[in-house]
Amino acid sequence: DAGVIQSPRHEVTEMGQEVTLRCKPISGHNSLFWYRQTMMRGLELLIYFNNNVPIDDSGMPEDRFSAKMPNASFSTLKIQPSEPRDSAVYFCASRLGGQETQYFGPGTRLLVL
Amino acid sequence: AQSVAQPEDQVNVAEGNPLTVKCTYSVSGNPYLFWYVQYPNRGLQFLLKYITGDNLVKGSYGFEAEFNKSQTSFHLKKPSALVSDSALYFCAVRAHNRLAFGKGNQVVVIP
Repeated sequence: DAGVIQSPRHEVTEMGQEVTLRCKPISGHNSLFWYRQTMMRGLELLIYFNNNVPIDDSGMPEDRFSAKMPNASFSTLKIQPSEPRDSAVYFCASRLGGQETQYFGPGTRLLVL
Repeated sequence: AQSVAQPEDQVNVAEGNPLTVKCTYSVSGNPYLFWYVQYPNRGLQFLLKYITGDNLVKGSYGFEAEFNKSQTSFHLKKPSALVSDSALYFCAVRAHNRLAFGKGNQVVVIP
């Protein structure tokens, strides 16, 4: 099994640009989570999906952030427009239905200049 | 609200010595508890979990954790630390169908 796949692994962009982060969950997993990790705030849950439906997006910082899951094997997290304070490592994780354990991808390291 | 606390920022231990990383929890009902490890520039990796049953849970890489209901703790332990165990360790508890993570503990194993 390839595990959770995220792309790109690194992204450097300028303030005001649109950023799109991508995630492919483990095949057969039906829950998907987006997290953000910073030194100041630690690991924060942004949003999670169950069976492609957003269940809780209360962690999404503001309207500049949006997430979609058009099918069971793909999700995107978009930031538009990006700001320097969005610089962080963004993780995607997936989980099999009925199980508790989440499996994390390698993360996308985002730097907004 | 379900939450975990990891009271120490960093744990330093000499190679070969026992390693303990502390975690206390606050939940209503029965806790589902987890430990994850994050190596530099990597995602979080699952180590072990407690759902029910034996209070001593064994996990990956020689780690174990002891569930203590009276002390509301779930400390992670390893009898003999390796330099390669140097990493960031997260305790987590199930909260409303997702995981609530602690702030993490940096473990430094000194050769």
